[in-house]
Amino acid sequence: AQSVTQLDSQVPVFEEAPVELRCNYSSSVSVYLFWYVQYPNQGLQLLLKYLSGSTLVESINGFEAEFNKSQTSFHLRKPSVHISDTAEYFCAVSDHPGNTPLVFGKGTRLSVIA
Amino acid sequence: GAVVSQHPSRVICKSGTSVKIECRSLDFQATTMFWYRQFPKQSLMLMATSNEGSKATYEQGVEKDKFLINHASLTLSTLTVTSAHPEDSSFYICSARTNSGVPEAFFGQGTRLTVV
Repeated sequence: AQSVTQLDSQVPVFEEAPVELRCNYSSSVSVYLFWYVQYPNQGLQLLLKYLSGSTLVESINGFEAEFNKSQTSFHLRKPSVHISDTAEYFCAVSDHPGNTPLVFGKGTRLSVIA
Repeated sequence: GAVVSQHPSRVICKSGTSVKIECRSLDFQATTMFWYRQFPKQSLMLMATSNEGSKATYEQGVEKDKFLINHASLTLSTLTVTSAHPEDSSFYICSARTNSGVPEAFFGQGTRLTVV
């Protein structure tokens, strides 16, 4: 069975500082990995994904995540955060491309402080 | 990316009444849809999985007679909360995946249900 662990429930960080949100997963097979972002009272938006190939994936708004198979991790990073990055971030895993639900972590609340 | 539209975004209903939430895939065929419930400051709790044209599969502890799910077409799934009570107040989110080789899930905007 798959599982996702997000080690930090809350991460406060000052504006323009770097941030890393940690995600570890367990799975016995090859996986697809995702980071989703949720703003208050909204659904989840895909931030970035790892399917195969390059282990470093990037989003259009400056976030990046690196797939590390040996450490079974997929940590999310941003070198300089903005106030607008304040949101809930969920890491998710799937071992199938189609009709099974993603397995989510419990989420990390990123609070950017001015 | 693909768009999933969920309506209504907010609904307030009286205790004992039923509420229907719609989830539509606008530009793709959603062979499978998922319904989640989210409590404040918590992660998503999977309620059920529905495949087009077949009965939904409910997670353990979710009352299928209370949360009726219909997936009559490849673009529409509905969740009906029957005889709603205040404890059903929550944020409900639908999600869709396809069998077209795109592995990510697409989410609706969510519905804030308040039962008074």
